[in-house]
Amino acid sequence: SAVISQKPSRDICQRGTSLTIQCQVDSQVTMMFWYRQQPGQSLTLIATANQGSEATYESGFVIDKFPISRPNLTFSTLTVSNMSPEDSSIYLCSVEEQGSGYTFGSGTRLTVV
Amino acid sequence: AQSVTQPDIHITVSEGASLELRCNYSYGATPYLFWYVQSPGQGLQLLLKYFSGDTLVQGIKGFEAEFKRSQSSFNLRKPSVHWSDAAEYFCAVGEEGGSYIPTFGRGTSLIVHP
Repeated sequence: SAVISQKPSRDICQRGTSLTIQCQVDSQVTMMFWYRQQPGQSLTLIATANQGSEATYESGFVIDKFPISRPNLTFSTLTVSNMSPEDSSIYLCSVEEQGSGYTFGSGTRLTVV
Repeated sequence: AQSVTQPDIHITVSEGASLELRCNYSYGATPYLFWYVQSPGQGLQLLLKYFSGDTLVQGIKGFEAEFKRSQSSFNLRKPSVHWSDAAEYFCAVGEEGGSYIPTFGRGTSLIVHP
């Protein structure tokens, strides 16, 4: 299965700043997905990122707050902008593998102080 | 819209005992069903999936799950739990025929006593 590398693995950030999370896949994939996992909660899909087009955001998530880039078929970034303590979560990147389901990165654990 | 219910927030078992984690889904068509495990501080690892065919699915680490359409369930089982199985378990359902991006349940935390 695909191997996904996420950076950073964790960070502590000041409120009002922004953090960009990187997701690198070892194979070319059509769609990449970004999830948020708030403390003690399940995973919520933020957006779907296709190469060469704007990301598709789920209800409750907007591009100004979570801008996403997808410059090629193996890489994507998610930025958490103007952070507040409520943004403290684990952010996970995921890719779809045909016939195999969805593979996830190890996540980025973000704490906003 | 599809939804997933994991009725048990926490499950405690003794090492060597059998395990069953419950999962019920709500979806009108044929679902794609997944179980993932998340160890502390880690990402999600796929245990097993059901797309079609045999309703009893074998996964990694000795886990299996059975799809029961009449009960809208996809319960995860393991005959003998090991201490290393202590983790968070997530059931997820996707939509057939389209973008079957999984919707996740809230998770069940498995605690294993020695």
